[in-house]
Amino acid sequence: QSVLTQPPSVSAAPGQQVTISCSGTSSNIGENYVSWYRQLPGTAPKLLIYDTYKRPSGIPDRFSASKSGTSATLVITGLQTGDEADFYCGTWDSGLRPGKVFGTGTKVTVL
Amino acid sequence: EVHLVESGGGLVQPGRSLRLSCAASGFSFEDFAMHWVRQPPGKGLQWVAGISWTSRVVVYAESVKGRFTISRDNAEKSLYLEMSSLRPEDTAFYYCAKDIEGDPSSCLYDWGQGTLVTVSS
Repeated sequence: QSVLTQPPSVSAAPGQQVTISCSGTSSNIGENYVSWYRQLPGTAPKLLIYDTYKRPSGIPDRFSASKSGTSATLVITGLQTGDEADFYCGTWDSGLRPGKVFGTGTKVTVL
Repeated sequence: EVHLVESGGGLVQPGRSLRLSCAASGFSFEDFAMHWVRQPPGKGLQWVAGISWTSRVVVYAESVKGRFTISRDNAEKSLYLEMSSLRPEDTAFYYCAKDIEGDPSSCLYDWGQGTLVTVSS
């Protein structure tokens, strides 16, 4: 069961910008780092953002992220056709049942 | 380069057991926590279990607690998931993932390619 809420889908034309929200609670996003994962069709997920806003080596600065309170946001600028994928947010939940939690996932479509 | 290779998936009948393995290379396996994450076909990601670098901290998702056991062998650079009392809803691709820290945390830095487990009679 997903604990973090994301929009099912977002879309934009090439070169435009999309924003993906991730809503959680005080026990997860509210007090822990957020990570974002990209999953291209038929492949395993891959880390896109860690520690809320940091990019692993090789991830372009077209991908940026932030957090405010119990919500996090991923922004993709200069959208490319190769960006079509499923995106998931994730964090740790420090509540009564501690563990890693993921978002519901967002499908990005390039029009 | 980090490599995580899962094995052991397949078709299994409900109620039976299965053991997954993950062979790690390209990093100091003994320094990092490890996790299992699953994804039912066509659905989202579900975290299954995590284990610290020393195996002292082990955490499970409620949906598998009491049925699945995560373990590791640092000398063999391997991660395991022993699954018992399997149910049809356990059908999924199972991914092995490397944490960013020694204790289970919020970031899964590297992922394997996954192994498919199908629970059906």
